[in-house]
Amino acid sequence: DVKVTQSSRYLVKRTGEKVFLECVQDMDHENMFWYRQDPGLGLRLIYFSYDVKMKEKGDIPEGYSVSREKKERFSLILESASTNQTSMYLCASSSGTGYSPLHFGNGTRLTVT
Amino acid sequence: RKEVEQDPGPFNVPEGATVAFNCTYSNSASQSFFWYRQDCRKEPKLLMSVYSSGNEDGRFTAQLNRASQYISLLIRDSKLSDSATYLCVVNLGYSTLTFGKGTMLLVSP
Repeated sequence: DVKVTQSSRYLVKRTGEKVFLECVQDMDHENMFWYRQDPGLGLRLIYFSYDVKMKEKGDIPEGYSVSREKKERFSLILESASTNQTSMYLCASSSGTGYSPLHFGNGTRLTVT
Repeated sequence: RKEVEQDPGPFNVPEGATVAFNCTYSNSASQSFFWYRQDCRKEPKLLMSVYSSGNEDGRFTAQLNRASQYISLLIRDSKLSDSATYLCVVNLGYSTLTFGKGTMLLVSP
């Protein structure tokens, strides 16, 4: 079974803080993704990565950056957290074909106060 | 037109009922299709892939109609544990996935 692990289940941060969300997968997947999910808006793609040190912007990259230094790890960085970044953040991975399903981590519920 | 559309529901059904969800997609170049299940405050989990010929997994049947650009999910003999939100996902290839906003199912005793 694919295992995607997110470092924190719940996180509370203050406005202006730099926030790191970590994600690790154990299936040697090439592709990794960061989504946020908000009521009524569904899942929205923030960033994704096809390979180590590669990154692509998704639909809502503003206010975020990512890092992929190792194949198994994909980090999401909120440079200066704001209250409108309060959300559920979901990391996912998939194998390299591009037609494969995503496997999600169990999510990080971030609250910015 | 939204890329992937689902009836948000909720669908309220009694145990043992058969329920069907539809999902329409706008991009005819879509390559692969999936249904995910998401429990409240949990992550989405892959329920099943959807193949052109249709496929079945126990009580769950998925169908794809490329000509009309929709996919469906049929759940037979509903259980209380089937209560969840069901997400339709369409993949254009190169990991370009689009999620529907989900259909909520509530199964009651």
